Amino acid sequence: DTGVSQNPRHKITKRGQNVTFRCDPISEHNRLYWYRQTLGQGPEFLTYFQNEAQLEKSRLLSDRFSAERPKGSFSTLEIQRTEQGDSAMYLCASSPRSGTPKQFFGPGTRLTVL
Amino acid sequence: ILNVEQSPQSLHVQEGDSTNFTCSFPSSNFYALHWYRWETAKSPEALFVMTLNGDEKKKGRISATLNTKEGYSYLYIKGSQPEDSATYLCAFANSGYSTLTFGKGTMLLVSP
Repeated sequence: DTGVSQNPRHKITKRGQNVTFRCDPISEHNRLYWYRQTLGQGPEFLTYFQNEAQLEKSRLLSDRFSAERPKGSFSTLEIQRTEQGDSAMYLCASSPRSGTPKQFFGPGTRLTVL
Repeated sequence: ILNVEQSPQSLHVQEGDSTNFTCSFPSSNFYALHWYRWETAKSPEALFVMTLNGDEKKKGRISATLNTKEGYSYLYIKGSQPEDSATYLCAFANSGYSTLTFGKGTMLLVSP
């Protein structure tokens, strides 16, 4: 399968713990996006990478959130000192260098903070 | 703040019914309108990317139209099938590779 993959698919954690999610984009897609979807809402943009450079961050991305894409391939999203309000589906998407502006999504990581 | 609205919020139809959803978006700084289908436990699947006013796209029984001047798009499903049950999301883009601003989605349930 050459689609976008995300791990883990589900994560349950206690409030105050740190969690890290991983996204593997489609090979050779240089653009990578993180979105978050909470109950009853559409996905909301968090951050965007072009290659290894983080070019844009949403105001939703508080100081407790950090994202990296060290070699311009996979990306990680870390949440420190999780809060119950962080419970959501975290989606990753990638798009190619040229051609279609279509974004290809992974299946998401569902985070539950107890 | 960009506002993308979708209606209805949810829809329950019988197999064989045709249905349509609406997406409204800002008519200024428009680049593209994306439609996605998201089935439970799967990845959101891109259906269409529409960029031109008056554009119409079709994929099997699903089609979409675009009016950028008035800021709306319609998604039509002809002869709905149970496998069409999913949440349908539209998303607005104001440049070629910008982030997407999503609506809340329309949840469709098709009963056999």
